[in-house]
Parts: sequence; C-alpha cells; structure tokens
Amino acid sequence: DQQVKQNSPSLSVQEGRISILNCDYTNSMFDYFLWYKKYPAEGPTFLISISSIKDKNEDGRFTVFLNKSAKHLSLHIVPSQPGDSAVYFCAASTSQGGSEKLVFGKGTKLTVNP
Amino acid sequence: EAGVTQFPSHSVIEKGQTVTLRCDPISGHDNLYWYRRVMGKEIKFLLHFVKESKQDESGMPNNRFLAERTGGTYSTLKVQPAELEDSGVYFCASSQSGLDTQYFGPGTRLTVL
Repeated sequence: DQQVKQNSPSLSVQEGRISILNCDYTNSMFDYFLWYKKYPAEGPTFLISISSIKDKNEDGRFTVFLNKSAKHLSLHIVPSQPGDSAVYFCAASTSQGGSEKLVFGKGTKLTVNP
Repeated sequence: EAGVTQFPSHSVIEKGQTVTLRCDPISGHDNLYWYRRVMGKEIKFLLHFVKESKQDESGMPNNRFLAERTGGTYSTLKVQPAELEDSGVYFCASSQSGLDTQYFGPGTRLTVL
C-alpha cells in the first residue's frame, strides 16, 4: 500500500522550459514533504521541502506547491537545465509518533534535452 | 564538512553468507537512518537510531537483519544469512535532530547470488 505516489515514471522537457513533477499522498498525518534528486550511483540529495502549514516554498529555480485538500504536491523547475536530469523522489514524514522516517515515492526520471 | 559515508560501495555474496554494511554519519548528527531500495521500487525505511538507541525499527524485514550503533557514532547493518530478495541498494542517512533534513550517503549495492 503506497502512501506516496509518483505516477509519472519519466518526464522529458526542453532546456529552458518548465519541468513539473507531481506527487500524491494518502496519509493525512503527513505534515512535512521533501523532494530529493538522485544521480546514478549516488545517494539522494536534498532539494527542497515544505511544511504542511505552507502552500508554497521557493528556492531559486525550484518551487514546491502543496495542496493539502487534494493531498497533492508538485515541484516546478524553471528554467530547466540539462544538469537537472536525474531521478526526483518525493518524500513525506509525520511529526507524530516519535520517528521522522521518510516515506518515498518511486521516483520520476527527468530528462532535460539541450 | 564530510558527508555521510558508507562502506563498501558494492558487495556481491552467495546466498546464505553474511554481510556487514557500515555507515558513518555526519559528525555531530545524533539521528541515523537506514533505508533500502530494491530494484525498480521505492526507497523504504528500515530503522532509525537516536544516538545508540533504536527509536524505530518497524521497517526491518525480519530477524536476519541486525543493526547496531555502539557508542552512538557509526552504525553497522548485518544480514545473516543473506537471501536473494535482500539484493538492493542500502542507504544510510543522518540528521542533527529528528525534524531536520536527512542527508544521505552514496549507498551500498548488495547483490546476493
């Protein structure tokens, strides 16, 4: 039973355009959401996060939007660059229960074409 | 500042053998997590240490897996005896406090033949 879902296994965009990666979750106890980027043979690298008390967080070219009523978040990258090509994982956690373990989606492979 | 390090980077063993994976967290990070990614699937939580204590081991698959963090510094994850389905990439992550960002190591790719 997947609590975090990334329904698009892959996405291809042109350099300079916007990349939009989507993520849905089912557990209403999740109150913190993160995006990680992963290159081959490396570990996931933290990209950006958002708390459930916000609906938007921006860091340079990266913006994460959270829609709690729809249990949906998205990562926008603009403008996209070839170096952004990687697998992007959506992750969620809850501050309840004493363990801040991350629950991950399966990832979306982003390819940015020059 | 050094990041999370893991050793070995790759391990190939026969079914029934024992393997021990090691993780060195970022210095000063009390929280240490183990995760695993089986081929094509999501990264799944295994367990969480706070210093030397196990805070949450709800993700450990079975009693063939034993994790330790003596002294609250580095951690080891032992698989004994290894089975074919244990193959995957084992990631370690650390954070300063439980609510802080988790920083991941490069992972250990385990192949059980």
